[in-house]
Amino acid sequence: GQQVKQSSPSLTVQEGGISILNCDYENDMFDYFAWYKKYPDNSPTLLISVRSNVDKREDGRLTVFLNKSGKHFSLHITASQPEDTAVYLCAAVGATGGNNKLTFGQGTVLSVIP
Amino acid sequence: DTTVKQNPRYKLARVGKPVNLICSQTMNHDTMYWYQKKPNQAPKLLLFYYDKILNREADTFEKFQSSRPNNSFCSLYIGSAGLEYSAMYLCASSRGGRDEQYFGPGTRLTVL
Repeated sequence: GQQVKQSSPSLTVQEGGISILNCDYENDMFDYFAWYKKYPDNSPTLLISVRSNVDKREDGRLTVFLNKSGKHFSLHITASQPEDTAVYLCAAVGATGGNNKLTFGQGTVLSVIP
Repeated sequence: DTTVKQNPRYKLARVGKPVNLICSQTMNHDTMYWYQKKPNQAPKLLLFYYDKILNREADTFEKFQSSRPNNSFCSLYIGSAGLEYSAMYLCASSRGGRDEQYFGPGTRLTVL
């Protein structure tokens, strides 16, 4: 089964609003959680990440919330802008021989409308 | 320079023919990865090299090969392409351990 899930394939938000993207995971051994942004025909770009020893991390308009007991993490984008329109991929890592082995969700298409 | 480069960006292949995709990075990263991404699906890890050690995922073990002649280059090889190989192939690299992965722009492979 899929270990990292994004239940919402798409999300539409008004410009200036808050975009909330959600991700659920199954593996208790995941200890690194990340959000990537992807434009069509482009590679994913890391936006923000968090280790399992914290439950929140902020970076400008981006905030990651981690709920370990619920096996859930989310990305909040405040003051959403049309340039935020893209596919957002969540990913998680559990140690495998010390190397990052990213497991991705299927992605959520965020559309920010003016 | 934090870029990962991939060649070619687009590749057309015939069923049954071999395909070789190239990835390079100059960040001196010790780990390089290959992912396959199909529309509306999550990127799927195919294999990764940690230094000179190749690790292939169990469910794609026989379908893909790879070589890493030096630290900077890593190839993905398909011996006999099938229609199901049509996808975007993403290369990534990281400094070993727990650091973030940097992705290349991808190669879109179309098998006819």
